[in-house]
Amino acid sequence: AQSVAQPEDQVNVAEGNPLTVKCTYSVSGNPYLFWYVQYPNRGLQFLLKYITGDNLVKGSYGFEAEFNKSQTSFHLKKPSALVSDSALYFCAVRDRGNKLTFGTGTQLKVEL
Amino acid sequence: DAGVTQSPTHLIKTRGQQVTLRCSPISGHKSVSWYQQVLGQGPQFIFQYYEKEERGRGNFPDRFSARQFPNYSSELNVNALLLGDSALYLCASSKPGTQQGADTQYFGPGTRLTVL
Repeated sequence: AQSVAQPEDQVNVAEGNPLTVKCTYSVSGNPYLFWYVQYPNRGLQFLLKYITGDNLVKGSYGFEAEFNKSQTSFHLKKPSALVSDSALYFCAVRDRGNKLTFGTGTQLKVEL
Repeated sequence: DAGVTQSPTHLIKTRGQQVTLRCSPISGHKSVSWYQQVLGQGPQFIFQYYEKEERGRGNFPDRFSARQFPNYSSELNVNALLLGDSALYLCASSKPGTQQGADTQYFGPGTRLTVL
């Protein structure tokens, strides 16, 4: 069965500093990987995905993610964090049937 | 284009009651999936429908059922509500499988169900 792990419940970073939110995965076959963001009392907003191709994927709002097959990781990154990036971030893996399996989420707090 | 819409926004029910949640996909999307998000956890897959047929079902009891209509909107029904059914119910839609980007699901704002 496929699974995703987000080892950090919370990540704190100062505004203007780079941020990383970690994700590791377990799948059989080629992984389809996604990052979503959730603001309070809202649904999930798609940020980016890795299907195939370049290991560095660029997405919305300046976010990018690095796919590392040998480490089975798909970490979310941003060069310069904003206070408005504070939210709950979910990593997910998709199976062949388009079912998403999500991690437990990482709360990102960006402070002035 | 309008995104995925869900109704109602909030709902309060008592144990043993039944509830129906509604979802309208993005125009042109033919696949709808339902997820349950309990507070403090990631969303859990409940159902997927494509072209009005069930294409996948998660590990949920038979009290949960769903259907998709000819206009691709969908309903999720939960019978005999339990306290543990309190959650945010999310609907997601995606393009037909033959189209580029069909692998991405777009989520609605969710329906917050509280069972007392």
